[in-house]
Amino acid sequence: EDKVVQSPLSLVVHEGDTVTLNCSYEVTNFRSLLWYKQEKKAPTFLFMLTSSGIEKKSGRLSSILDKKELSSILNITATQTGDSAIYLCAVETRSNYQLIWGAGTKLIIKP
Amino acid sequence: SQTIHQWPATLVQPVGSPLSLECTVEGTSNPNLYWYRQAAGRGLQLLFYSVGIGQISSEVPQNLSASRPQDRQFILSSKKLLLSDSGFYLCAWNLASTGELFFGEGSRLTVL
Repeated sequence: EDKVVQSPLSLVVHEGDTVTLNCSYEVTNFRSLLWYKQEKKAPTFLFMLTSSGIEKKSGRLSSILDKKELSSILNITATQTGDSAIYLCAVETRSNYQLIWGAGTKLIIKP
Repeated sequence: SQTIHQWPATLVQPVGSPLSLECTVEGTSNPNLYWYRQAAGRGLQLLFYSVGIGQISSEVPQNLSASRPQDRQFILSSKKLLLSDSGFYLCAWNLASTGELFFGEGSRLTVL
């Protein structure tokens, strides 16, 4: 059965810290891995990763995929209180283009 | 540009009452449409998806149903709500060629 596991489930850090969120997957016919940020309502798209070893970067956020280890990490440097959110990881398979979601990591940034 | 609208934003309903959540997409044609449910602190559970008018696939057996009467309209319904139907419901769309999903603002349903 295809599955996506995120760790940790929750994380509390202080403003200015750097955090690393993990996403591992076991799926057949991997197509892409996506990261989303969910604050109060709708998840918003962060990154889509398809190739191993190529870092994607957006401001203080970056992400990389490791197809050998079947995992991805999301890094946030110099965290701010506005980074507090649930970070969701999802994997798309070639078989039906639907997304398999992890349970999310709840990140709390304390001032 | 494309937009997605979902309503109502919040809903409090008694057990056994009917449900109708509506979602419309603007600015694109023939999108894939999805209904997800998210329990508190959990990931997203796919309920239904549709690749075209009148085409509905159900992922989880339950007392909910979905319909797509028009290309950019997706409706989630129930004839009789259960307590376990409480949750946060998200509508989403994408195009067949890409996995990236665009979400509506969500509907928070509380069944009492």
